[in-house]
Amino acid sequence: KNEVEQSPQNLTAQEGEFITINCSYSVGISALHWLQQHPGGGIVSLFMLSSGKKKHGRLIATINIQEKHSSLHITASHPRDSAVYICAAHFGNEKLTFGTGTRLTIIP
Amino acid sequence: EAGVAQSPRYKIIEKRQSVAFWCNPISGHATLYWYQQILGQGPKLLIQFQNNGVVDDSQLPKDRFSAERLKGVDSTLKIQPAKLEDSAVYLCASSTRGVSYEQYFGPGTRLTVT
Repeated sequence: KNEVEQSPQNLTAQEGEFITINCSYSVGISALHWLQQHPGGGIVSLFMLSSGKKKHGRLIATINIQEKHSSLHITASHPRDSAVYICAAHFGNEKLTFGTGTRLTIIP
Repeated sequence: EAGVAQSPRYKIIEKRQSVAFWCNPISGHATLYWYQQILGQGPKLLIQFQNNGVVDDSQLPKDRFSAERLKGVDSTLKIQPAKLEDSAVYLCASSTRGVSYEQYFGPGTRLTVT
């Protein structure tokens, strides 16, 4: 069964802290997405990756194919980073399977 | 480049009423998706279009939900009649080709059924 699990479910941190959100998946995938969802509901795609590491500004995404694990890191976190972060995976050529999300709150 | 547009952003209706949502994908994107996201859960795919044809509607409750993409561009999703459990955010996304390509999401429509 294709499954995606995220941890933690909720994360609260002080401004400036280094943030890590984890994602594990059950079987081999063709690609993995990290998405950001703000309270209004809209989703923004942050990264799509199938191997290695990608960086955009203060955001870094890594994936370890052998361990079936991906992480999203935020350096120098800021209150505007507060959002729900969702991991989603393509298993083969199938539709995206989404995790339930990690609610991140950054306190000034 | 304009993003995926959706309307309305918010809708409140009573149970047994009907409602329709509209989505205009990014220009040139052949694939369009409708997702339902219930509070506290990840999005669930309702239907996927490739141009104006349906690729996957296996999780669409066809007794009350319908969707169309007549000219292969914009799309409408309808619920008739609505139930309390349909309260959710309805997200539209598009991509240049199939599921393995990056999807661009719209702002969503938050539906509340009372």
